[in-house]
Amino acid sequence: AQSVTQLDSQVPVFEEAPVELRCNYSSSVSVYLFWYVQYPNQGLQLLLKYLSGSTLVESINGFEAEFNKSQTSFHLRKPSVHISDTAEYFCAVSDLNGNKLVFGAGTILRVKS
Amino acid sequence: DTAVSQTPKYLVTQMGNDKSIKCEQNLGHDTMYWYKQDSKKFLKIMFSYNNKELIINETVPNRFSPKSPDKAHLNLHINSLELGDSAVYFCASSQLQGGGELFFGEGSRLTVL
Repeated sequence: AQSVTQLDSQVPVFEEAPVELRCNYSSSVSVYLFWYVQYPNQGLQLLLKYLSGSTLVESINGFEAEFNKSQTSFHLRKPSVHISDTAEYFCAVSDLNGNKLVFGAGTILRVKS
Repeated sequence: DTAVSQTPKYLVTQMGNDKSIKCEQNLGHDTMYWYKQDSKKFLKIMFSYNNKELIINETVPNRFSPKSPDKAHLNLHINSLELGDSAVYFCASSQLQGGGELFFGEGSRLTVL
């Protein structure tokens, strides 16, 4: 079975500052890794994912995450955040069948002006 | 055109009542899910159906009964509602072999009084 730990429940940051949201996972088998974003009163949307290949994956809105197998981590980073990035971010893991996602508890990113 | 739609969006009811939440997806996906998000925003899978067949059933009380009349629909019926059932219920869909990417509905907020 897989599990996910998101170490920070809330991360406040000023606009245009860099941010890192931490995610560690536990699994006895190979995994796929995901970051989902949830804006207020909405469902979750996929931000980016690691399936195989390059360990650094990017989203279209400037976020990136790096799969680190030795540290079992998949931290999410953005070099310069915007007010519109304010949301809750969920890290998730699945086995290679990909049919059951296990989510972390979420990290609220609050971007202040 | 909403990809995954759930109704109702809000549901307020008394303890002991029976209620249903409906979900439809127009993405042509084979697999549908119900997730429960509790007051601490923790997301946990409840059920998964693939082509109308139950493939995941995660230790959910028998009061919860999913029904999939066809692969585009997955409804959730809850009998004898309890206070602890108050949560946001998310429907999602995916292609089983799609690397686990889930497409979520906007959620149905259930409040049991």
